[in-house]
Amino acid sequence: DTEVTQTPKHLVMGMTNKKSLKCEQHMGHRAMYWYKQKAKKPPELMFVYSYEKLSINESVPSRFSPECPNSSLLNLHLHALQPEDSALYLCASSYRDRDEKLFFGSGTQLSVL
Amino acid sequence: DAKTTQPTSMDCAEGRAANLPCNHSTISGNEYVYWYRQIHSQGPQYIIHGLKNNETNEMASLIITEDRKSSTLILPHATLRDTAVYYCIVRVSFGNEKLTFGTGTRLTIIP
Repeated sequence: DTEVTQTPKHLVMGMTNKKSLKCEQHMGHRAMYWYKQKAKKPPELMFVYSYEKLSINESVPSRFSPECPNSSLLNLHLHALQPEDSALYLCASSYRDRDEKLFFGSGTQLSVL
Repeated sequence: DAKTTQPTSMDCAEGRAANLPCNHSTISGNEYVYWYRQIHSQGPQYIIHGLKNNETNEMASLIITEDRKSSTLILPHATLRDTAVYYCIVRVSFGNEKLTFGTGTRLTIIP
């Protein structure tokens, strides 16, 4: 299994809603990542978890709250988002070794109304 | 991480070799060159990486100049499925968890 699975694939939410994005991998990877990608722009790093601990937070607003319940799962909890937060949210994972190749999921396309 | 410069877009005829250049003139001695691509509506996909020597795998070849200030990704026989945005990234391979994407090259394979 070499897949990173993200659910849901599409999400529409209002500014007062609370929702969560889910990411799962069963490759034994110990690092997991959240990226945000606006249309026609490159992906931008948001968070990195290493061995289930948050190691990087790229100054992301607190309305985005990551969680890593175990080594296979990564969640992104969303609350009080703004329309400008509409984007493709990508999850990735990697081994924590010398060949730091990232494996990406297909993303969740989020629309905030 | 060092920055990279890539052409905004390129076309290539189907069946021909696609050569995608990347400049990374400020690369450090311990930084690797990575290539990823992103096909429309998908997440980025790892292609290849290297430090000094040329590398080849089932997807592509990576040619790095002797001074390491530039590199070329070669797709030997481009197909329509290779139409994508190709990102050249330089980073320390181990111990740096940040993979920072530049603007990339939009490669279009022409039938």
